[in-house]
Amino acid sequence: KAGVTQTPRYLIKTRGQQVTLSCSPISGHRSVSWYQQTPGQGLQFLFEYFSETQRNKGNFPGRFSGRQFSNSRSEMNVSTLELGDSALYLCASSLALAGGEETQYFGPGTRLLVL
Amino acid sequence: DQQVKQNSPSLSVQEGRISILNCDYTNSMFDYFLWYKKYPAEGPTFLISISSIKDKNEDGRFTVFLNKSAKHLSLHIVPSQPGDSAVYFCAASAPAGAQKLVFGQGTRLTINP
Repeated sequence: KAGVTQTPRYLIKTRGQQVTLSCSPISGHRSVSWYQQTPGQGLQFLFEYFSETQRNKGNFPGRFSGRQFSNSRSEMNVSTLELGDSALYLCASSLALAGGEETQYFGPGTRLLVL
Repeated sequence: DQQVKQNSPSLSVQEGRISILNCDYTNSMFDYFLWYKKYPAEGPTFLISISSIKDKNEDGRFTVFLNKSAKHLSLHIVPSQPGDSAVYFCAASAPAGAQKLVFGQGTRLTINP
């Protein structure tokens, strides 16, 4: 089974621009979560999508948004980029069965550099 | 408020010996704990997990121990191999947000030949 894929792998943008990152989950996985990794803050949860609906949200400003399509693929968008948005953005997928205790599997990440 | 803490930023172990990585948490609602291994510029790779109803889970060279009363878990790697050199993250989730993982800051493990 193919793993989680993310595109693009690397991206350079300037302040004020917007960016869209894409994630394809493992086949059969219905939940997609997004995380931001920075040297100062570590790995932080952004949001989770299940059945095309945002189900959980982390503590990030409204400039960070996402969506999920009917095939479970997900995109996240960051508008009005700031220098501090430079980070590794990670997507993770899981089966999302009832009962919790889900293992999430991560993609390789998209490295975003904001100049 | 850091709910999951890995107090050792780095650990150096000789090849063949045991590596013990530690993690503490504060949220008593956490019921599922995971360990991930991460290389630079790559996504975390799942290693092993443990449910709060257990106190030990083993998978090959990796064993995770959970002490709920102390809110502490540890990952044991025996024997340690050079390929184990990486950053290790512990993560936890609560039933209300099963897909929302809370991560520790990571421990960089170096295995010396």
